[in-house]
Amino acid sequence: GAVVSQHPSRVICKSGTSVKIECRSLDFQATTMFWYRQFPKQSLMLMATSNEGSKATYEQGVEKDKFLINHASLTLSTLTVTSAHPEDSSFYICSARDLRGGANYGYTFGSGTRLTVV
Amino acid sequence: DAKTTQPTSMDCAEGRAANLPCNHSTISGNEYVYWYRQIHSQGPQYIIHGLKNNETNEMASLIITEDRKSSTLILPHATLRDTAVYYCIVRVAYNAGNMLTFGGGTRLMVKP
Repeated sequence: GAVVSQHPSRVICKSGTSVKIECRSLDFQATTMFWYRQFPKQSLMLMATSNEGSKATYEQGVEKDKFLINHASLTLSTLTVTSAHPEDSSFYICSARDLRGGANYGYTFGSGTRLTVV
Repeated sequence: DAKTTQPTSMDCAEGRAANLPCNHSTISGNEYVYWYRQIHSQGPQYIIHGLKNNETNEMASLIITEDRKSSTLILPHATLRDTAVYYCIVRVAYNAGNMLTFGGGTRLMVKP
């Protein structure tokens, strides 16, 4: 089945620095990937839709200059949290669609990245 | 996408069946019912989906009422590893928006 690899699984960074999170589709090509954020005891909230070869689409209230998304190839999307602050500490999860179909109609999730900004 | 309503939390004894309900009274004719679960500190995992017929796979069974306004996910023999948050999502299989929208889900606690 479709596999999405997300790296790193956890990262601690200092306030003011930038952190890059990678999301790779390992055995399929993904023209579209999704980035979610999840705060403790809350549900997943969609941040942005990453489109290969074009600009990402951000959800209302998500700062595009702070959360930079690059989807330069059909198997890799990256989320860079710029000038991170403690309030950016969260669990970030990516998802990709495998348009070959299959039982789950293509929604496969990465294992998530726990970001802690100190 | 149609909105879903799920209980906030449920308990289940290990080895017993876990029945997780979901209400989706505004579901449209072309919308599917998807179930995902999220074990603590992991990404969501697909469980099962269906349109109007009951479905079963190696993980669970999905029972959809005839009017399609509600459904039940059944884990036939719950284990401690089934402790997770279970999300019921209703959406068109292939629509332009593409993303999955998550509600609050049901926190299932399987107890020894």
